[in-house]
Amino acid sequence: QQQVKQSPQSLIVQKGGISIINCAYENTAFDYFPWYQQFPGKGPALLIAIRPDVSEKKEGRFTISFNKSAKQFSLHIMDSQPGDSATYFCAASIWGKLIFGQGTELSVKP
Amino acid sequence: NAGVTQTPKFQVLKTGQSMTLQCAQDMNHEYMSWYRQDPGMGLRLIHYSVGAGITDQGEVPNGYNVSRSTTEDFPLRLLSAAPSQTSVYFCASSYSGTTNTEAFFGQGTRLTVV
Repeated sequence: QQQVKQSPQSLIVQKGGISIINCAYENTAFDYFPWYQQFPGKGPALLIAIRPDVSEKKEGRFTISFNKSAKQFSLHIMDSQPGDSATYFCAASIWGKLIFGQGTELSVKP
Repeated sequence: NAGVTQTPKFQVLKTGQSMTLQCAQDMNHEYMSWYRQDPGMGLRLIHYSVGAGITDQGEVPNGYNVSRSTTEDFPLRLLSAAPSQTSVYFCASSYSGTTNTEAFFGQGTRLTVV
């Protein structure tokens, strides 16, 4: 049973466009929602994270939107660049234990 | 500062063989964990540890053993390798297991079981 569901599985966006990745969770005890970015051959690295008492968090071109009542959160990448091409994972955490979504492979075309 | 170091980077095993994947961190983190990454499945938690001497099972623990005798090291043992264990394995560490903080990942070990 997948506790965190992520969509889409893959995404192609033109340079300068907006990339949107969505996640939904089931366990209301989760209290930390990070997004990780992974380049080929590398381990995931933290991109941005949010706690459930906040509805939005922005860091540069990256924004998390969080809807606690719907148990959903999403990552928006503004002005997407070819260097953003990577696999993105959402996750939900309780007591430090991270549960990941299935991942989204993002390709930004020049 | 090396962060999280995994060895080996690549390994091929025959069905039934055993091996240990090594993981070491130099950040004095309490919390360490092992994940496997498979296409379309994301990263799934195998085992985790909230401190030396304390380990617990994650989502997919069967076929794997762990121990944590020191803060720095958290090895993952495959007792009798099976083709279903072909995967990329990641070790991660974070400051604490009681508060949610950034997890740092190693570079991964790509394991093939034939």
